[in-house]
Amino acid sequence: RKEVEQDPGPFNVPEGATVAFNCTYSNSASQSFFWYRQDCRKEPKLLMSVYSSGNEDGRFTAQLNRASQYISLLIRDSKLSDSATYLCALENTGGFKTIFGAGTRLFVKA
Amino acid sequence: DGGITQSPKYLFRKEGQNVTLSCEQNLNHDAMYWYRQDPGQGLRLIYYSQIVNDFQKGDIAEGYSVSREKKESFPLTVTSAQKNPTAFYLCASTGRTGYTFGSGTRLTVV
Repeated sequence: RKEVEQDPGPFNVPEGATVAFNCTYSNSASQSFFWYRQDCRKEPKLLMSVYSSGNEDGRFTAQLNRASQYISLLIRDSKLSDSATYLCALENTGGFKTIFGAGTRLFVKA
Repeated sequence: DGGITQSPKYLFRKEGQNVTLSCEQNLNHDAMYWYRQDPGQGLRLIYYSQIVNDFQKGDIAEGYSVSREKKESFPLTVTSAQKNPTAFYLCASTGRTGYTFGSGTRLTVV
C-alpha cells in the first residue's frame, strides 16, 4: 500500500460548485499534514497546513481525521482560477522528509 | 524577496553526458531537497540535506549526486548512470511553514 494515496481525478465542476478531495495515509505516526497547489508546469505552492481541529482559509477548509487516517480539502464556490492539481503532503515523526501524494486534478468550468 | 532560484529552466542532455542543475536559496533554511516529478506522478525524493556538508539519499538516488558546501547552495548532478533522466526537477527548502519550491528545471534527453 502506498504511504499516501489520492484520487487522481480529474474532477470537472462548474463555477460556484463545492468540491472535496480526500487523501489517505498509511503511517499512523504521521505528524504534520499539508495541502499544496500546483499549476500546470509550475512548482507546488503551499495552500494550507492541516490541523487536528481543522482550519479554514476563505473558501478553503482542511480537516484531519486521525482515526480513519485521511485528510480532506473542501473548496466552496469554485472559481475558474481554482483549476490546478492539489497535492497532499505529510511529515512523519522526527523526520526531515515530507511525502507527497500524486495529486488530484481539478478543472473548474464556466 | 527571499526565495529559491533554480537554473536553467530548460536543459537538454545528450546520451552519456553529465549535467548539473543549480539551486540557490536566500531564505536561511538549513534543510534542502531535490525532487523529481514525472507526468501524472507525485514528487519523488532524490536527495536531501539537513545541514552544510551533510546529505542523505532519498528514494531514487541512483544516477544522481549532490553537494552541500554552502548553506545557500545545493546543486544536483544527473550522471550518465541515470538511464531515464527526462523529468521535471524541483529543489525545495523547509522553514517553519512547509516547503518552499524553486520554479523547477525541465530536463530532456536528446
